Amino acid sequence: SQQGEEDPQALSIQEGENATMNCSYKTSINNLQWYRQNSGRGLVHLILIRSNEREKHSGRLRVTLDTSKKSSSLLITASRAADTASYFCATNQGGSEKLVFGKGTKLTVNP
Amino acid sequence: DTEVTQTPKHLVMGMTNKKSLKCEQHMGHRAMYWYKQKAKKPPELMFVYSYEKLSINESVPSRFSPECPNSSLLNLHLHALQPEDSALYLCASSQVLAGFQETQYFGPGTRLLVL
Repeated sequence: SQQGEEDPQALSIQEGENATMNCSYKTSINNLQWYRQNSGRGLVHLILIRSNEREKHSGRLRVTLDTSKKSSSLLITASRAADTASYFCATNQGGSEKLVFGKGTKLTVNP
Repeated sequence: DTEVTQTPKHLVMGMTNKKSLKCEQHMGHRAMYWYKQKAKKPPELMFVYSYEKLSINESVPSRFSPECPNSSLLNLHLHALQPEDSALYLCASSQVLAGFQETQYFGPGTRLLVL
């Protein structure tokens, strides 16, 4: 079963606006990762947040993690048309090499 | 070099064919992965190799046969596939640190069509 569930499934915004995507998971985790996938291409790692971290920044990206609610959010500020892609959260189950991906959020940024 | 390469980019095969997908990385990663991704779905893990040994097989049908000849190469041998096996096949690699999952680096994928 899918560990991560993203919300919303699809998001359409205008360039310059912020985009927020949420991810919920069910079991305890060691870390949570966010990946981006442009249409039909490989995935690109965006950010990894460990279970003992609450917030992390990377450029225009801000990720939060709330282990008590088993949820994470990805905020993209000042979005650009090039941010149009699908975004997946992924979690690993403690001590496992297995990474489980959520269903993804398809983000469209309109110029 | 943070690149994972995959060949071929596209593959069309009949149900009686035998073909292989290839993946290569030179980042010194000791974990390598095969994923299958159908359209508008997330990647689904198929196999994990850790230190060149198969460590996870997600109950994948035997018509898919993985091979890890050395720490830089990963192959996926295909035989007697079904049309429903048509998908994007992604390879990834990562470091292995104390058993915890680290960042995975993905190749661009092989788009497979089974006729």
